[in-house]
Amino acid sequence: RKEVEQDPGPFNVPEGATVAFNCTYSNSASQSFFWYRQDCRKEPKLLMSVYSSGNEDGRFTAQLNRASQYISLLIRDSKLSDSATYLCVVTLTGGGNKLTFGTGTQLKVEL
Amino acid sequence: DVKVTQSSRYLVKRTGEKVFLECVQDMDHENMFWYRQDPGLGLRLIYFSYDVKMKEKGDIPEGYSVSREKKERFSLILESASTNQTSMYLCASSSHYGYPTYEQYFGPGTRLTVT
Repeated sequence: RKEVEQDPGPFNVPEGATVAFNCTYSNSASQSFFWYRQDCRKEPKLLMSVYSSGNEDGRFTAQLNRASQYISLLIRDSKLSDSATYLCVVTLTGGGNKLTFGTGTQLKVEL
Repeated sequence: DVKVTQSSRYLVKRTGEKVFLECVQDMDHENMFWYRQDPGLGLRLIYFSYDVKMKEKGDIPEGYSVSREKKERFSLILESASTNQTSMYLCASSSHYGYPTYEQYFGPGTRLTVT
């Protein structure tokens, strides 16, 4: 079983739509959680951290459910520029700076 | 702005050749990482380093070695390239004091093809 699992998509949505991605992780010792964004043929970049209390950054909301071991990312009012692959990332307790990446969920926002 | 640079964007090598991939970061980061990225498999960690001359195996170290002689530079070496090492190679760096995000900054990647 993969440590971090994501639906690869693609999710094709119209501009202005709300879209949500989920990610599950297998290791209950996972400590910290993040979403990275990777544009086509570009390097990944940190989008946002994910906290148990949930956190919001503009149109983006991330949530963590430790009991069920899943993480979600909600994008409201989708823009064409949101088209990218979204990578779910976790660190393990004591794992320090080592990140474990999911395979990513592809989002395509269309006119 | 953090900058991570990689020596080549595209590289074509023959089976059995020794291949060097170079990565340089300009933010005085302690940690450096080498990943490969393949469709359907995502980013997989090959090796990482927490300090000069230190190295740790990642999840898929077989067929690779690394060198970190200077803090800003981390090299990935394919001792004898094979076709199954055809991939996108990404280098990243992060600060040891990067809590809580441990944000990693990536280079643009090297697309290596082994024929």
